[in-house]
Amino acid sequence: EPEVTQTPSHQVTQMGQEVILRCVPISNHLYFYWYRQILGQKVEFLVSFYNNEISEKSEIFDDQFSVERPDGSNFTLKIRSTKLEDSAMYFCASSELGTGRQETQYFGPGTRLLVL
Amino acid sequence: GESVGLHLPTLSVQEGDNSIINCAYSNSASDYFIWYKQESGKGPQFIIDIRSNMDKRQGQRVTVLLNKTVKHLSLQIAATQPGDSAVYFCAENIPISGGYNKLIFGAGTRLAVHP
Repeated sequence: EPEVTQTPSHQVTQMGQEVILRCVPISNHLYFYWYRQILGQKVEFLVSFYNNEISEKSEIFDDQFSVERPDGSNFTLKIRSTKLEDSAMYFCASSELGTGRQETQYFGPGTRLLVL
Repeated sequence: GESVGLHLPTLSVQEGDNSIINCAYSNSASDYFIWYKQESGKGPQFIIDIRSNMDKRQGQRVTVLLNKTVKHLSLQIAATQPGDSAVYFCAENIPISGGYNKLIFGAGTRLAVHP
């Protein structure tokens, strides 16, 4: 069964450093998403992405965050200058058809980011 | 693995019993709802979904009920097994500008199944 994959599984970084989290969505999916989950809290929407542009972003997704589809398979989340409060589990998700359709998003296993 | 949701409400059931997990949603524009299961250290895993034009949907051992009048969703798990132990999240799909969608997750409930 196809699945979303994410690398690395764990990332430890120093405050102020840049990190790039990588995702490979399910191959025939066209819509991609990033969510985060701070330990002990619920999953929060960050950004959705379609056709090489952001379609929606939350208030969490400030100028320190960016997303990119560098090639035909990868989808990345970059945090330019990490802060302590960026420590969280980051999930990538994808869906086949997102526009105007009620459709399931499938989640990857997550990347645990720890900012020291 | 690590724990997720250290302060989540917990439902404790005996193996073989039925479990009911409840969720309240807030947005009247939500048109689609999904239940996800999250095991420790893993991503949310799709269990079952329901569209807003339905009030009940059944899967294998799971049933989702939707009451739009009171904005309430429930997940029923029949004959609960130890492997069902996890955190369960409901998510509401909200249409946004441009025809896109985003998911808003509920707070989650931890299900603990005891032998």
